[in-house]
Amino acid sequence: DVKVTQSSRYLVKRTGEKVFLECVQDMDHENMFWYRQDPGLGLRLIYFSYDVKMKEKGDIPEGYSVSREKKERFSLILESASTNQTSMYLCASKDSNQPQHFGDGTRLSIL
Amino acid sequence: QQQVKQSPQSLIVQKGGISIINCAYENTAFDYFPWYQQFPGKGPALLIAIRPDVSEKKEGRFTISFNKSAKQFSLHIMDSQPGDSATYFCAPRDDKIIFGKGTRLHILP
Repeated sequence: DVKVTQSSRYLVKRTGEKVFLECVQDMDHENMFWYRQDPGLGLRLIYFSYDVKMKEKGDIPEGYSVSREKKERFSLILESASTNQTSMYLCASKDSNQPQHFGDGTRLSIL
Repeated sequence: QQQVKQSPQSLIVQKGGISIINCAYENTAFDYFPWYQQFPGKGPALLIAIRPDVSEKKEGRFTISFNKSAKQFSLHIMDSQPGDSATYFCAPRDDKIIFGKGTRLHILP
């Protein structure tokens, strides 16, 4: 069974801090994704990666960056956290032509 | 640019009734039509999916109906149960998955 693990379930940070959200998958999937989920807006794609060291912008990349140094790990970075980045963050991975497998999310609060 | 329109936003159904959620899309290049189910505190998980070469797929109480000419597909939950209470997302795909905004389903006991 595919497992996507997000390092924190809940995280509280302050405005201006640099924040790292970590995601690890155990199925050797090539593709990994970061979404944020907000009430009434559904899931919005922030960044995705098709391979190690490769990244592409999703629909809402502003204020975020990502890192994929190893195939199994995909990190989301908030360079300078702001209150409008308070949200639920979901990581997912998949193989080509297969459905996405999601982690259980990190609920991030920026004070 | 809204490529996927999901309706309704929320739905309340009596136990034993039929729940119907609809998804309309614009991109004719989409080649895979899944529905995801999300329980509180969990990430979405694939529930059922269909490819465009068939018009209907049934798995237990869950059925996808696909209308290619109308560019719509729907999820039907027969004999709805309280355990089906969750948020449902359609997510049609070509090379990048586009999620609908979700439907919060509540099944009354």
